Amino acid sequence: EPEVTQTPSHQVTQMGQEVILRCVPISNHLYFYWYRQILGQKVEFLVSFYNNEISEKSEIFDDQFSVERPDGSNFTLKIRSTKLEDSAMYFCASRRTGDGSTFGSGTRLTVV
Amino acid sequence: AQSVTQPDIHITVSEGASLELRCNYSYGATPYLFWYVQSPGQGLQLLLKYFSGDTLVQGIKGFEAEFKRSQSSFNLRKPSVHWSDAAEYFCAVGDGLNTDKLIFGTGTRLQVFP
Repeated sequence: EPEVTQTPSHQVTQMGQEVILRCVPISNHLYFYWYRQILGQKVEFLVSFYNNEISEKSEIFDDQFSVERPDGSNFTLKIRSTKLEDSAMYFCASRRTGDGSTFGSGTRLTVV
Repeated sequence: AQSVTQPDIHITVSEGASLELRCNYSYGATPYLFWYVQSPGQGLQLLLKYFSGDTLVQGIKGFEAEFKRSQSSFNLRKPSVHWSDAAEYFCAVGDGLNTDKLIFGTGTRLQVFP
């Protein structure tokens, strides 16, 4: 069964450093998403991406965040200057038209 | 704004017992509804979804859910729980527009005793 692949599974970074979280969505999917889950809290929408541009972003997705689809397969989330409160599990998801989203296993980001 | 409420934070059942996890949503139009399951340290796995049509939907692992518009509910059920069903369950509503982002509930943690 096709999967959404996320790397790394766990990333530890110092406050103020830049991190890039990587995702390989399912190949025939057109819609891509990033969500995050702070420990013990619910999953929150960050951003959606379609047709090579951001289609919607949440209030969380401020200027410190950016997304990119640099080639035909990867979908990345960059945090420019990490803060302690960015520590969370970050999920990538993709879907095709008319279907539910398939989620990756997540990247646990720890900011120290 | 859309919202999802899962009133039960934690549920404990015995193996073999029936299960119902509650989900209520707030959405102005016809919602797209989903149930996801998350095992510890894992990602979110889609159990089932409702877009339209038959209000009783079947999913994987023997789960089913019923959409009740009059009650704004989409409760998840399983007739006989297995120990491997212990996990966190999330109900979500999609906004049905181009982005179809998901709004999640706070989750229900299911514990299964042998």
